[in-house]
Amino acid sequence: DVKVTQSSRYLVKRTGEKVFLECVQDMDHENMFWYRQDPGLGLRLIYFSYDVKMKEKGDIPEGYSVSREKKERFSLILESASTNQTSMYLCASSERADGYTFGSGTRLTVV
Amino acid sequence: DAKTTQPTSMDCAEGRAANLPCNHSTISGNEYVYWYRQIHSQGPQYIIHGLKNNETNEMASLIITEDRKSSTLILPHATLRDTAVYYCIVRVGFRGSARQLTFGSGTQLTVLP
Repeated sequence: DVKVTQSSRYLVKRTGEKVFLECVQDMDHENMFWYRQDPGLGLRLIYFSYDVKMKEKGDIPEGYSVSREKKERFSLILESASTNQTSMYLCASSERADGYTFGSGTRLTVV
Repeated sequence: DAKTTQPTSMDCAEGRAANLPCNHSTISGNEYVYWYRQIHSQGPQYIIHGLKNNETNEMASLIITEDRKSSTLILPHATLRDTAVYYCIVRVGFRGSARQLTFGSGTQLTVLP
């Protein structure tokens, strides 16, 4: 089975800190995605990538950046964390038209 | 991608079949129907997808109407562990470039003992 691993399950950071969320997949998938999930708002796409060093903005990219230096790793970066970025962050990967495989999520709290 | 409509919530007795409907009346000919579910505090889990033929796997069956304007996900023998939010998503299957999923509100399925 494809495994998508997110580095932290829970994270607490201070306002203004630079935050790195790491995601690794082990099945050589081309496509990787970062979503955030908030009550009442569902899942919203932040960024996605369809190849190494390629990235595309999703619906809510403001305040975030991403890095994909290797095919298996897709990092989400919060340049200067703010309290409105407190959320559940979900990473996913997929191959062509197949189903997406999601990680378990990182619950980030910014204080 | 076509918009989908799902009931907000449904209950099902344990051991019985759970039938979750989804309307996608504006679906295009090249759009697939995907189903995911999300158990509380976990990431979404892929269940099944189809284009126009009915599909079955070890988790569920997907029935798509002939006009493709609606579909039903069937969990044949629901268990308490099937309690989750179920999302129906319609999108174009892609080749090569990424296509993101757009999640709606989904249906909260509660399996009752």
